[in-house]
Amino acid sequence: AQKVTQAQTEISVVEKEDVTLDCVYETRDTTYYLFWYKQPPSGELVFLIRRNSFDEQNEISGRYSWNFQKSTSSFNFTITASQVVDSAVYFCAPPYGGRRALTFGSGTRLQVQP
Amino acid sequence: ETGVTQTPRHLVMGMTNKKSLKCEQHLGHNAMYWYKQSAKKPLELMFVYSLEERVENNSVPSRFSPECPNSSHLFLHLHTLQPEDSALYLCASSQATGGGRGTGELFFGEGSRLTVL
Repeated sequence: AQKVTQAQTEISVVEKEDVTLDCVYETRDTTYYLFWYKQPPSGELVFLIRRNSFDEQNEISGRYSWNFQKSTSSFNFTITASQVVDSAVYFCAPPYGGRRALTFGSGTRLQVQP
Repeated sequence: ETGVTQTPRHLVMGMTNKKSLKCEQHLGHNAMYWYKQSAKKPLELMFVYSLEERVENNSVPSRFSPECPNSSHLFLHLHTLQPEDSALYLCASSQATGGGRGTGELFFGEGSRLTVL
């Protein structure tokens, strides 16, 4: 079964601090996709990244970066120089092998204080 | 127009009422989803429609009745709900590939917050 663990339920940081959100997953699939979504206070989930299991290169997008390590089944997400607008719940989705629908874990609530 | 629009944004209803949630997507997608987000619980997948056919129903009580008249519209009809059904109901859309499978990239609406008294 596909499973993901986001051990950090809530994180609070002060603006401009770097913060890493952990994600550890379980899967028996050899090919899969990994995702991060953001849910701001407005409610809608916003797609952040999709990573193919074959691609272990780290990815950087502005202040966001992702560290995928297949050997430890982790797909961690780092926000550099956090801002108040980064306050949201962040979801790492269980490995997706092209099933009909994506499921989600419990998420990590990030609070960035001014 | 935003990609996925949900109405109403807020709804309060009694247990004997009948109401409907509406979702409309303007992205040209062919799959639509209902998710339920309760306080302190993970997001739960409720229904999946691919090419207007219901392809997944995750043991949702019959008091929730989905309807997908076309690929752009999705409804969730509600009747005789319970207070524990109070939650944020999120609609999403995506582009499904062969066999109704998708890429996992979902586009969500802002949700309809339902309170059942």
